[in-house]
Amino acid sequence: AQSVTQPDIHITVSEGASLELRCNYSYGATPYLFWYVQSPGQGLQLLLKYFSGDTLVQGIKGFEAEFKRSQSSFNLRKPSVHWSDAAEYFCAVGAPEYGNKLVFGAGTILRVKS
Amino acid sequence: EAQVTQNPRYLITVTGKKLTVTCSQNMNHEYMSWYRQDPGLGLRQIYYSMNVEVTDKGDVPEGYKVSRKEKRNFPLILESPSPNQTSLYFCASWAGAGGYTFGSGTRLTVV
Repeated sequence: AQSVTQPDIHITVSEGASLELRCNYSYGATPYLFWYVQSPGQGLQLLLKYFSGDTLVQGIKGFEAEFKRSQSSFNLRKPSVHWSDAAEYFCAVGAPEYGNKLVFGAGTILRVKS
Repeated sequence: EAQVTQNPRYLITVTGKKLTVTCSQNMNHEYMSWYRQDPGLGLRQIYYSMNVEVTDKGDVPEGYKVSRKEKRNFPLILESPSPNQTSLYFCASWAGAGGYTFGSGTRLTVV
């Protein structure tokens, strides 16, 4: 079965600084990969997804992620963080043989300091 | 507007009192799912449904039931809630290449 690890429970960055959130997955072939964001008291919003093709994917709100098969990673990046980016971020993985089930990581809470 | 609607948003109940959390989607999606979110554990799948009258267990189904009598509705039933079911619950429908569309969540407290 697939699994996801987000090694950082909390990350604090200064406003305007760059951001990278780490995500590692365990799966034998190429999975489907997603990043979701959850603002306090809100549901989950899809930031970006990877199914196949170009390994660098662009998402909403200026986020991007790069799929690296050799490292089993799908790290999320943003060049300049805004205070409104403070939220919890979830990486998720799916696989064809598991239907539409997504397995989520434990989440990374992003704090932005001014 | 394409959306998944859950009700209620907040619910406090007592141990053993049956409750239902409703979920409805207006996108004609076949696949729907329920997840629970707990701190440090992320989201875990409770049940899913691939179409009307087709449901199956996810990773943490104990203490829950679901039904899928119509494509748009997928209620989550707790027949005898216990305090360990205190959690944040999300209903979601699968939009194909778009991934999941999530509801706004239901925060359940069982005392």
